[in-house]
Amino acid sequence: ILNVEQSPQSLHVQEGDSTNFTCSFPSSNFYALHWYRWETAKSPEALFVMTLNGDEKKKGRISATLNTKEGYSYLYIKGSQPEDSATYLCAFPHGSSNTGKLIFGQGTTLQVKP
Amino acid sequence: DAGITQSPRHKVTETGTPVTLRCHQTENHRYMYWYRQDPGHGLRLIHYSYGVKDTDKGEVSDGYSVSRSKTEDFLLTLESATSSQTSVYFCAISESTGEQYFGPGTRLTVT
Repeated sequence: ILNVEQSPQSLHVQEGDSTNFTCSFPSSNFYALHWYRWETAKSPEALFVMTLNGDEKKKGRISATLNTKEGYSYLYIKGSQPEDSATYLCAFPHGSSNTGKLIFGQGTTLQVKP
Repeated sequence: DAGITQSPRHKVTETGTPVTLRCHQTENHRYMYWYRQDPGHGLRLIHYSYGVKDTDKGEVSDGYSVSRSKTEDFLLTLESATSSQTSVYFCAISESTGEQYFGPGTRLTVT
């Protein structure tokens, strides 16, 4: 059974703090690693799809790095704002080929206090 | 926003009744997915489709069936609803095996 682990489970920071969290995934048969942002009462929204070892992607104050050899990805948020409060999910393709089926981690829930 | 709608958005039904949830897209994307969201479990894939009439099982497919007779519609059927199927159901689409776009969700309560 594929395991996608995220840590920490939850995080509380003050506005302006920078923060980061981790997604761990199986390093064999790597195809891609997805990051999604999920605000309360809304639907998940794609942040990044990462495919290359050493890749770094950025969207505004949010960035992500990828290490496929050791099986982890970091998501960084610089200068957190209250609107960054959400659950951040990572997901890994399931199966022996890249079928589009994703296994999601449990998520890291971020609360940013004004 | 990707054009994805789900119907109904809320439903309360009784144990043992059949229920069908509909996902409709206007993006002409090839792949469509059904997930359920439960506390402590996050998002889990129920079934997915990689083309018209082409479907496959996900992690938690027992008790569910799907059909896709047109590109734009992906139906999820609970043959005989049970209380353990009380959940929020999300449909998602993708053009390829890249990022997925999620619908607004359907809250199903089985009493």
